[in-house]
Amino acid sequence: NAGVTQTPKFQVLKTGQSMTLQCAQDMNHEYMSWYRQDPGMGLRLIHYSVGAGITDQGEVPNGYNVSRSTTEDFPLRLLSAAPSQTSVYFCASSYQGGGDAFFGPGTRLTVL
Amino acid sequence: KNEVEQSPQNLTAQEGEFITINCSYSVGISALHWLQQHPGGGIVSLFMLSSGKKKHGRLIATINIQEKHSSLHITASHPRDSAVYICAVRGGNQFYFGTGTSLTVIP
Repeated sequence: NAGVTQTPKFQVLKTGQSMTLQCAQDMNHEYMSWYRQDPGMGLRLIHYSVGAGITDQGEVPNGYNVSRSTTEDFPLRLLSAAPSQTSVYFCASSYQGGGDAFFGPGTRLTVL
Repeated sequence: KNEVEQSPQNLTAQEGEFITINCSYSVGISALHWLQQHPGGGIVSLFMLSSGKKKHGRLIATINIQEKHSSLHITASHPRDSAVYICAVRGGNQFYFGTGTSLTVIP
């Protein structure tokens, strides 16, 4: 099993550019989620999904879109990047009923 | 508001010392997780607890559901234990995270 994979590992964008952060898992987990990690603030939930076709907003959803067309994939889209979105982004997955949470390796995003 | 509070924020220990990191939470939970993050690295799950106590090698995690409190203990600490330890709780469809405890173990 590859676990949770994320691409890219690093990305630099200019203000206003768009991009998609990819997240995939091969453990047949229903629950997938995106977090951003900023210094001194801990991980904050951006969006989550409890299954294919179902997504919901977390604590900090503004400026981000998600979709869940398959169980395996949960991409995060930045429509118009802003410097405030400079952060490290983690994707995670788990079974909906509970169990261990598995995290991807993270994407370090810088918006200039 | 912080649903999860950790203490201490920073901790420096000599190799071999016994270490305790504390976590308090304010929401109803189905499980509590202790996570480890090495500098510049990814996040791995150390423990998932819903009651009682778990032990993996030199690491012990306990939870008191009534008091909404958990502790992570490291016995005979080693420099390779240097990392950020994060407490996370699962409430419904969301995880809530503490801001982490940065541990440095000096040889």
